[in-house]
Amino acid sequence: DAGVTQSPTHLIKTRGQQVTLRCSPKSGHDTVSWYQQALGQGPQFIFQYYEEEERQRGNFPDRFSGHQFPNYSSELNVNALLLGDSALYLCASSLWSGNYEQYFGPGTRLTVT
Amino acid sequence: RKEVEQDPGPFNVPEGATVAFNCTYSNSASQSFFWYRQDCRKEPKLLMSVYSSGNEDGRFTAQLNRASQYISLLIRDSKLSDSATYLCVVTFLTGTASKLTFGTGTRLQVTL
Repeated sequence: DAGVTQSPTHLIKTRGQQVTLRCSPKSGHDTVSWYQQALGQGPQFIFQYYEEEERQRGNFPDRFSGHQFPNYSSELNVNALLLGDSALYLCASSLWSGNYEQYFGPGTRLTVT
Repeated sequence: RKEVEQDPGPFNVPEGATVAFNCTYSNSASQSFFWYRQDCRKEPKLLMSVYSSGNEDGRFTAQLNRASQYISLLIRDSKLSDSATYLCVVTFLTGTASKLTFGTGTRLQVTL
């Protein structure tokens, strides 16, 4: 049973650049949520996708955008990178009609220099 | 006030000790509650869901008090391998979508 996978594992970008992170949900799941976790903090909700639509969004600027594909996989795009965007980006999958339990991938560690 | 508040610790306890973590949440409409465990530089892993009736999984017991908006996690007979950060998580519905809100986590260090 494949768990949640994310790519790449690590990424180093320069201020002003754009980045795309990818996530494949756990087998059987149809909903993907993205989180940003800064050092020493809990994960902060960015947005959630179901049926290829953004269903909910946290307090993140429009520089953060996403997409979900028909196979339920998802991408997170961040434009005009800032130093403060350096963090661990976590993808979590779940069942839309389930009990709200979410399962996390290993994350992508983004460093902006 | 933060939506989910936890004591950041660290809690340093000897092996075999019993330790309890507490968490409070501000949104009375919150519907589901969880404890996640996160090891250093790893992803959070679901430890257990929390129900109003309380629930137990081996050495771990979770309790929910909706009236006080308070969640707890009790770990008995602590093991070295329990050393991690424990994240309190609260979910509420907005329309039909659910959103997880995490506390900042409580760090536990179990020592010999």
